[in-house]
Amino acid sequence: DIVMTQTPLSLSVTPGQPASISCKSSQSLLHSDGKTYLYWYLQKPGQSPQLLIYEVSSRFSGVPDRFSGSGSGTDFTLKISRVEAEDVGVYYCMQGIHLPPTFGQGTRLEIK
Amino acid sequence: QVQLVESGGGVVQPGGSLRLSCAASGFTFSSYGMHWVRQAPGKGLEWVAFIRYDGSNKYYADSVKGRFTISRDNSKNTLYLQMNSLRAEDTAVYYCAKDSGGTRLDYWGQGTLVTVSS
Repeated sequence: DIVMTQTPLSLSVTPGQPASISCKSSQSLLHSDGKTYLYWYLQKPGQSPQLLIYEVSSRFSGVPDRFSGSGSGTDFTLKISRVEAEDVGVYYCMQGIHLPPTFGQGTRLEIK
Repeated sequence: QVQLVESGGGVVQPGGSLRLSCAASGFTFSSYGMHWVRQAPGKGLEWVAFIRYDGSNKYYADSVKGRFTISRDNSKNTLYLQMNSLRAEDTAVYYCAKDSGGTRLDYWGQGTLVTVSS
């Protein structure tokens, strides 16, 4: 199985400041079809996970443009340009190139 | 709008069985693969099972293979997870999620809690 490793595991950010989360996979997530199957999810307190970013850098419907994804191969980053109070929760990266899909451990974002 | 509503969770003794359901609406259910993902209390996300849009292929996590069965009824827009030989480590919130392609889980239900305890 592909192992997904996130850093840091927790983050405390002042509103209006940027935040960045790293995700590394144990194998390349680049498929022969040219797509890279790396996703980012946010699980807000008491809620189910919601899709933020798909295929490394595409924002899902309704996701604010302060969220951006980047990376290639095995190294990926989620950035929040200006953190807002509503961004609190646990962020997960997930690979979808091979079954079983596997998730990172999660990164907890809190507001200072 | 897309809605996924899980049901069927509860408390069951070790070795017991439970069937979860996920009622889908707001999209053409028969056109999309579906997943079950679980989350043990205070833990991260763990993928459980996947079924293709027409039920032709099913895939399972090693931790549940041989004990859980994923199925669907496209005439009822409903996804199922039959769970047998339950263990304490199966205790979790179980989510169903829609796959829009490339294992993109774009919509998730609110989850149903399964507790395996004597």
